[in-house]
Amino acid sequence: EPEVTQTPSHQVTQMGQEVILRCVPISNHLYFYWYRQILGQKVEFLVSFYNNEISEKSEIFDDQFSVERPDGSNFTLKIRSTKLEDSAMYFCASSEPKAATNEKLLFGSGTQLSVL
Amino acid sequence: ELKVEQNPLFLSMQEGKNYTIYCNYSTTSDRLYWYRQDPGKSLESLFVLLSNGAVKQEGRLMASLDTKARLSTLHITAAVHDLSATYFCAVLNYGGSQGNLIFGKGTKLSVKP
Repeated sequence: EPEVTQTPSHQVTQMGQEVILRCVPISNHLYFYWYRQILGQKVEFLVSFYNNEISEKSEIFDDQFSVERPDGSNFTLKIRSTKLEDSAMYFCASSEPKAATNEKLLFGSGTQLSVL
Repeated sequence: ELKVEQNPLFLSMQEGKNYTIYCNYSTTSDRLYWYRQDPGKSLESLFVLLSNGAVKQEGRLMASLDTKARLSTLHITAAVHDLSATYFCAVLNYGGSQGNLIFGKGTKLSVKP
């Protein structure tokens, strides 16, 4: 089965530094998402992206966060100035068009971000 | 605001036993997902339930959806150790052009010999 690919798998950064998390969604998928999971907690929605623009964002997704699809394959999440509370596993996900009858939202393997 | 409640949050089972995990949600939605997560790993898609009365089965797991009751169940039959994992339900929250998933807190299942 095709996979959503994320790099790096682990990222350690100092507080206040910028990080970019990268994702390659499944090639025929049109909808892209970022979610995060703080250790031991539930998965939280950050942002959805379609047609080269943000569709929706949560309260977590403040001005420090941005997303971009710089080319036809990559989908990135940038955190401008990291805080300790940004430490989490960040998951990229993608899905087919909504009309698909068996629409699956497929998740990547995640990037574990540790802010020191 | 859509809220998703799962119970139980922790479940210790013996091999061979049956059990059910419950997922309640607070506002209308007709799409519900079940995922499995092993420690430190990603979310593996188990089921997508698209309509009222939908039932899907894969191996020892069976999921159902009652949109009127806003309830989904994940039934485990004759549990085996390999099923030990955390199981999340997630409900589609309609917003924007595509919606997003609201997850429950997860049920950590431990199957003991």
